[in-house]
Amino acid sequence: AQSVSQHNHHVILSEAASLELGCNYSYGGTVNLFWYVQYPGQHLQLLLKYFSGDPLVKGIKGFEAEFIKSKFSFNLRKPSVQWSDTAEYFCAVNEPDSWGKLQFGAGTQVVVTP
Amino acid sequence: GAVVSQHPSWVICKSGTSVKIECRSLDFQATTMFWYRQFPKQSLMLMATSNEGSKATYEQGVEKDKFLINHASLTLSTLTVTSAHPEDSSFYICSARVPGGSYEQYFGPGTRLTVT
Repeated sequence: AQSVSQHNHHVILSEAASLELGCNYSYGGTVNLFWYVQYPGQHLQLLLKYFSGDPLVKGIKGFEAEFIKSKFSFNLRKPSVQWSDTAEYFCAVNEPDSWGKLQFGAGTQVVVTP
Repeated sequence: GAVVSQHPSWVICKSGTSVKIECRSLDFQATTMFWYRQFPKQSLMLMATSNEGSKATYEQGVEKDKFLINHASLTLSTLTVTSAHPEDSSFYICSARVPGGSYEQYFGPGTRLTVT
């Protein structure tokens, strides 16, 4: 069974700082990769996804992620965070033939201070 | 974008009773829905995959007789927690897969279950 690892469980940073959240997965075959965000009191929302093609994907709200196949990684980045980016971020992976079921990482709580 | 709703948003029940949670895709048809469980400050754990018109597929360790899933239509899946106990208290989240070749899922807002 595949696993998804998120390296940071809790990140605190100031507004305008850059953010990078690590995500590694264990599955060696073809996978689809996702980053979801959960704002306080809200449901999960898709930030961005990678299925194939350009390994640098851009999502909503200024987020981007880079798929590095050789490192089994899909790290999330944002050059300059805002207070409203305070949320929990989840990396997720699915195998194309698994009905689309997602394996989630443990999540990273990001707190942006004014 | 696609909207998934859940009802109720929170429920308190007594130990030994059963609780039904509904998950609806409001503006699209979902042949596949998923049920997750999220413990406080933890990630989502997939409980089962629900396919319209067929039996749900449960993940290892999830009791199918305790967590009954019914996907009776293309817009509705229900999760019934039978004979609930305090350890079943949790946040239950459903998602619906966007139809077609995409593997995107849209998530419901979740249901907070508290068993007293």
